[in-house]
Amino acid sequence: QKEVEQDPGPLSVPEGAIVSLNCTYSNSAFQYFMWYRQYSRKGPELLMYTYSSGNKEDGRFTAQVDKSSKYISLFIRDSQPSDSATYLCAMSGDWDNTDKLIFGTGTRLQVFP
Amino acid sequence: DSGVTQTPKHLITATGQRVTLRCSPRSGDLSVYWYQQSLDQGLQFLIQYYNGEERAKGNILERFSAQQFPDLHSELNLSSLELGDSALYFCASSVSVGPVGTDTQYFGPGTRLTVL
Repeated sequence: QKEVEQDPGPLSVPEGAIVSLNCTYSNSAFQYFMWYRQYSRKGPELLMYTYSSGNKEDGRFTAQVDKSSKYISLFIRDSQPSDSATYLCAMSGDWDNTDKLIFGTGTRLQVFP
Repeated sequence: DSGVTQTPKHLITATGQRVTLRCSPRSGDLSVYWYQQSLDQGLQFLIQYYNGEERAKGNILERFSAQQFPDLHSELNLSSLELGDSALYFCASSVSVGPVGTDTQYFGPGTRLTVL
């Protein structure tokens, strides 16, 4: 079993839809949760960062962490064609005092006009 | 543009060969990370260097090695290449003055390696 599981998609939605992207994980030591966006043929870029449980909002994006369920989500409101990309969740913990990130395999999102 | 540069953009080589990938971190960043991204495995952490010293190791094969030089640029050396080594190799950098992975990692554009 992988430490981080993510549905690869593709997820295809119409413009304006609310998108929900999710990851589950198995390591209860994870404390830092990130969402990266990766456009085709580009490197990943950090979208959202959350520590421990709770919600964080940034514009049209909301990140949620439920540590009791080992489940994190990224919501995109009023989705736009420019949101079409692969979304990677990533996690880390301070159990080994490194900056090592564990990534999900990514969910490909397509927003059509 | 993240400020992280990687060369070359593309590399095509044959099995058994050795290649070197180069990364220049963002100005001021002390940490460099190497990742391998393949279709079936996703983004896999390989190794991290901080200010010239190895800091963390992930799923890096013994045929692969890396180093970070005094000017903070880093090189990833891949030897005895196999078909399965074909992938995108990303470098990322961060300021990383703290002990935990809270610093944003900025990714370069990647090097696409094709082993024939």
